[in-house]
Amino acid sequence: EIVMTQSPATLSVSPGERATLSCRASQSVSSNLAWYQQKPGQAPRLLIYGASTRATGIPARFSGSGSGTEFTLTISSLQSEDFAVYYCQQYNNWPRFGQGTKLEIK
Amino acid sequence: QVQLVQSGAEVKKPGASVKVSCKASGYTFTSYGISWVRQAPGQGLEWMGWISAYNGNTNYAQKLQGRVTMTTDTSTSTAYMELRSLRSDDTAVYYCARSRPSVTTFLGYWGQGTLVTVSS
Repeated sequence: EIVMTQSPATLSVSPGERATLSCRASQSVSSNLAWYQQKPGQAPRLLIYGASTRATGIPARFSGSGSGTEFTLTISSLQSEDFAVYYCQQYNNWPRFGQGTKLEIK
Repeated sequence: QVQLVQSGAEVKKPGASVKVSCKASGYTFTSYGISWVRQAPGQGLEWMGWISAYNGNTNYAQKLQGRVTMTTDTSTSTAYMELRSLRSDDTAVYYCARSRPSVTTFLGYWGQGTLVTVSS
């Protein structure tokens, strides 16, 4: 069983600044990693798949990197609508999500 | 455009069953799979399982084996998830999501979610 660990649990950042979210897998998942954004009362939205490919319609300020066991989601200049919970998910084998990082306004 | 529209909220007693539907449109239903994910109140996302809309093959989370059944009706492009012997800790929002034709998939499109409340 692959365990996905996200850090930090909560990240406080000011609008316009950069946010960096981390996701670690307990064993290699190659590049089979996705990132999702979830706002209160809404379904998750796919941001990134294949560790670094932006999904359709996702702004260029969102970028993903990493492979193997260490992954990063970077939001280059935070907009008000970016404050939400972010989940990583591996799909190298049985899909599993991380526990989420809450991105809040500083 | 791709849309997944789920059935409405349900309230069930412990020990009962619930069946949630997910009607797909905007794409060729049988070219993809459908995954089901649930989220307990204030908690994270839990993958429940996957079904191929092409041939009905399924893959369920081990902890739900024996209690969950996922099916599809290709004539109406609708997927179903039935969960039996409900317990209070099954209270959650249940989501369907379009998947690749394999259980090893990310989820590009999601339904709006169905709240299932289990309470005596």
